[in-house]
Amino acid sequence: SQQGEEDPQALSIQEGENATMNCSYKTSINNLQWYRQNSGRGLVHLILIRSNEREKHSGRLRVTLDTSKKSSSLLITASRAADTASYFCATERGGGTSGSRLTFGEGTQLTVNP
Amino acid sequence: NAGVTQTPKFQVLKTGQSMTLQCAQDMNHNSMYWYRQDPGMGLRLIYYSASEGTTDKGEVPNGYNVSRLNKREFSLRLESAAPSQTSVYFCASISGGWFDTQYFGPGTRLTVL
Repeated sequence: SQQGEEDPQALSIQEGENATMNCSYKTSINNLQWYRQNSGRGLVHLILIRSNEREKHSGRLRVTLDTSKKSSSLLITASRAADTASYFCATERGGGTSGSRLTFGEGTQLTVNP
Repeated sequence: NAGVTQTPKFQVLKTGQSMTLQCAQDMNHNSMYWYRQDPGMGLRLIYYSASEGTTDKGEVPNGYNVSRLNKREFSLRLESAAPSQTSVYFCASISGGWFDTQYFGPGTRLTVL
């Protein structure tokens, strides 16, 4: 089963509005990452937050992590039509000789209307 | 740098046929991965290779085999394709640290009739 579950499954907003996506997970993690996927394309890494961090910013992106609730949120401020894509959270639990492994959620489809 | 490259981009197979998906990275990364993505779903790990010479099963390994040919190349083989293996396959690589990010290839869209 998927480690990460995302909410909502789909989100439609107007350009300029903020978009918030949530991710919950089940087991302890080393870090949590957010990726973006444009239709028919590969995934592109957006931001990584470590398990000992609570909040991180990158441009118009803000990620929070609450390890006590095993949840994370991704906020995209001042959205643009070009932000239309699927967004996935991924939790990283590996390490040592077994290497890093990511487990992905099912994603949130964001549509930003002009 | 080409990053992570995958071949082919598209493939149609008949049930029972075999094929190999190729992946190569030019970033000198230690670890490489194969995922599949079914419509409307996230990625599921098929196999991964933490370092050259090692491979391990992921979440959905049945029906697949892998070969870490060298540090650059990691191939995925379907010995006897089934319709349930219709999916988009992504290869990824990472330097190897716990706080590195994975770099993804553009994907191979496979249809098994």
